[in-house]
Amino acid sequence: QKEVEQDPGPLSVPEGAIVSLNCTYSNSAFQYFMWYRQYSRKGPELLMYTYSSGNKEDGRFTAQVDKSSKYISLFIRDSQPSDSATYLCAMKPAGNYQLIWGAGTKLIIKP
Amino acid sequence: EPEVTQTPSHQVTQMGQEVILRCVPISNHLYFYWYRQILGQKVEFLVSFYNNEISEKSEIFDDQFSVERPDGSNFTLKIRSTKLEDSAMYFCASRGASGTYNEQFFGPGTRLTVL
Repeated sequence: QKEVEQDPGPLSVPEGAIVSLNCTYSNSAFQYFMWYRQYSRKGPELLMYTYSSGNKEDGRFTAQVDKSSKYISLFIRDSQPSDSATYLCAMKPAGNYQLIWGAGTKLIIKP
Repeated sequence: EPEVTQTPSHQVTQMGQEVILRCVPISNHLYFYWYRQILGQKVEFLVSFYNNEISEKSEIFDDQFSVERPDGSNFTLKIRSTKLEDSAMYFCASRGASGTYNEQFFGPGTRLTVL
């Protein structure tokens, strides 16, 4: 079983829809959970990170962590064509330097 | 807004040649990282660097790889004898002393093509 699983998509939704992106993981030691956005031929850009369980909101973005289910989500409200990108989840245990990455989900927002 | 820069944007080399990929981290950052992403695959951690030494490295970062901070601004990744499977995007990242590990800022990447 891979440490971090993420559906590669593509996920195509109409403009204005609520988008739900998810990752599952197997390592119960993971404590920090990140979401990155990557536009084509660009480096990953940190969107949000959370520590342990719970929700975090930033504008149209909400990150959710359910450690009991080993499941994290990123919700995008009022999606825009400019949100079209690949969304990568990444996570790490406390005290360990390595980020473990998901494969990324390609998101397409249709005008 | 400060950003991480990388040069060149695309490097083509012959198998067995040495390449040096260059990064200029954000100026007041102290922690530096290299990652690679083979086309269509996951981002993979290579190495982290702090206080002029390697903090951690992955299994990928074997003796063919080395990193250096030759002056106060550049951070380089050297691949001594490139192999076909080294073809990938290489990303540099940095973070500040006050930022958590999570708050790494990535450069735009160097696309390395080994022929």
